[in-house]
Amino acid sequence: AQSVTQPDIHITVSEGASLELRCNYSYGATPYLFWYVQSPGQGLQLLLKYFSGDTLVQGIKGFEAEFKRSQSSFNLRKPSVHWSDAAEYFCAVSRGSQGNLIFGKGTKLSVKP
Amino acid sequence: DAGVIQSPRHEVTEMGQEVTLRCKPISGHDYLFWYRQTMMRGLELLIYFNNNVPIDDSGMPEDRFSAKMPNASFSTLKIQPSEPRDSAVYFCASSFDIRDSINGYTFGSGTRLTVV
Repeated sequence: AQSVTQPDIHITVSEGASLELRCNYSYGATPYLFWYVQSPGQGLQLLLKYFSGDTLVQGIKGFEAEFKRSQSSFNLRKPSVHWSDAAEYFCAVSRGSQGNLIFGKGTKLSVKP
Repeated sequence: DAGVIQSPRHEVTEMGQEVTLRCKPISGHDYLFWYRQTMMRGLELLIYFNNNVPIDDSGMPEDRFSAKMPNASFSTLKIQPSEPRDSAVYFCASSFDIRDSINGYTFGSGTRLTVV
């Protein structure tokens, strides 16, 4: 069965520092992978997605993610974090031929001034 | 487009009462999804519809939960009777395609349900 693991429940970084949020997936075929962000009291917003092609994908708000098949990972990165990036981040994988999304448990990001 | 619209934003109800959550998807989207978010279990897919037809309801936790989509612009998720463990944030999402290659799913702002 497909699954998504986000090993870090909560991460705190200083404003201006770099960020990497980890995501590992379990899926037999080439997955469709997504990162979403959820601000407090809001729904989820798509940051970026990977379907095929270039393994480094660019998203909104300066985020990028790299698909590494050998490691079954799709880690999210940002070179310099802003205070407004404080939110919860969810990695998701499409679910086989049906395609509906399976989400990880999320990583909460706090940003120190 | 106003996006996916959910109502109410907050609902507090007593155990045993019926609760109805509402969702208006984005016009033209063929797929509609209901998710539940809790601290313990994260985001769980409850049910999804394609062209108003329920396709997969395997995530619906119990018979107390039911969902309908009478037309392309409206869906409801009903809990009867409600229990305290149903307290969660319920999200509705819609998309053109189940693996929407353009925008992904568009989520509503959610309904925070508290059952006391």
